[in-house]
Amino acid sequence: EVQLVESGGGSVQPGGSLRLSCAASGFTFSTYWMQWVRQAPGKGLVWVSRINSDASDTSYADSVEGRFTISRDNAKNTLYLQMNSLRAEDTAVYFCVRIAVSGSADYWGQGTLVTVSS
Amino acid sequence: DIQMTQSPSSLSASVGDKVTITCRASQSIMHYLSWYQQKAGEAPKLLIYAASSLQSGVPSRFSGSGSGTDFTLTISNLQPEDFATYYCQQSYSTRLTFGPGTKVDIK
Repeated sequence: EVQLVESGGGSVQPGGSLRLSCAASGFTFSTYWMQWVRQAPGKGLVWVSRINSDASDTSYADSVEGRFTISRDNAKNTLYLQMNSLRAEDTAVYFCVRIAVSGSADYWGQGTLVTVSS
Repeated sequence: DIQMTQSPSSLSASVGDKVTITCRASQSIMHYLSWYQQKAGEAPKLLIYAASSLQSGVPSRFSGSGSGTDFTLTISNLQPEDFATYYCQQSYSTRLTFGPGTKVDIK
């Protein structure tokens, strides 16, 4: 059974940092591209970042470029999102998502809440 | 970035109705379009990939069509468990984008 379990969310002041982790199991993690998607309270889904299977290529939304860094450790079956210079508008539930060959997001974690507030 | 729009933003329907949701891309995305269902407090669930392919385990009352810039999600014979918010997403570009969502609620 495919499982994606996020951790690392919490409350942080503006300008602070957090690192999210996503532990993957039930599939060959090293062969799949992965992404982070976020959802602000009461709002829609917003793509944040994606990484290819061997971590040689990454992509970011304009709103987080230069502040967030996606990475992965295929030996540990873990995806990461390092978030720096956090802003109030980064407050959201962050989902770890597997990308299927078709490009669709076929498995989602349960999400971890990040709250940026003074 | 490729912009995605959806219409309507919300709709009210009854059990047994046929519902159609439209998604439009700001440029051609070929068939690189997926549809998701999200219920309150839950993670989204993949329904349709590659514009018209039904994800394993998804009921056949869900169907997708379209290519290029215009796409449609159809739910035939709406069931109580289908009341949710639906999102489209393009995966043509490396910078993926979602539509704003369509909320389907009970009339």
